[in-house]
Amino acid sequence: KQEVTQIPAALSVPEGENLVLNCSFTDSAIYNLQWFRQDPGKGLTSLLLIQSSQREQTSGRLNASLDKSSGRSTLYIAASQPGDSATYLCAVRSRGGNQFYFGTGTSLTVIP
Amino acid sequence: DAEITQSPRHKITETGRQVTLACHQTWNHNNMFWYRQDLGHGLRLIHYSYGVHDTNKGEVSDGYSVSRSNTEDLPLTLESAASSQTSVYFCASETENTGELFFGEGSRLTVL
Repeated sequence: KQEVTQIPAALSVPEGENLVLNCSFTDSAIYNLQWFRQDPGKGLTSLLLIQSSQREQTSGRLNASLDKSSGRSTLYIAASQPGDSATYLCAVRSRGGNQFYFGTGTSLTVIP
Repeated sequence: DAEITQSPRHKITETGRQVTLACHQTWNHNNMFWYRQDLGHGLRLIHYSYGVHDTNKGEVSDGYSVSRSNTEDLPLTLESAASSQTSVYFCASETENTGELFFGEGSRLTVL
């Protein structure tokens, strides 16, 4: 069974800092990996989707990378802002599987 | 814009009552999922469907059922609500060409 881990569980940074969130998975046979943002009391909002054949995806200040061989993905947030404060989750879709496997998330606080 | 909506957003019920949570998507996606989110457990899959009249059990399906009579809707029914089913429930649908997941805003259920 695929296991997805996100470390750290919580992170606090000053505004303007660049930061990296980590996601690791145990089975490298994946179909895709997706990063989400979740605000308190809200649903999950898709940020970036990386297909297994891709190495990275970018959207604005966000950049996600994928290294299947090491079972790792990182989400890079440039020039962090207080509005980036949220919980960030990653999810892996395994090849041949019917499920998405979610990490438990990293709670990010950006201090003004 | 196409979207996925859940109702009700908040519900309080009593132990033993039947409860149905609605999920409606306008993307015409075949693949739909129900998750519950609890502190310490992350997102856990309850049931999923790959098309009309198709339903499958996830990892925490006991006490829940779904039906798929059309493409747009996947209602989740709790046959006899239990306090252990107090949770936030999320519906999601998946684009078939990219495998990207989209979530509803969630339904917070409290069972007293």
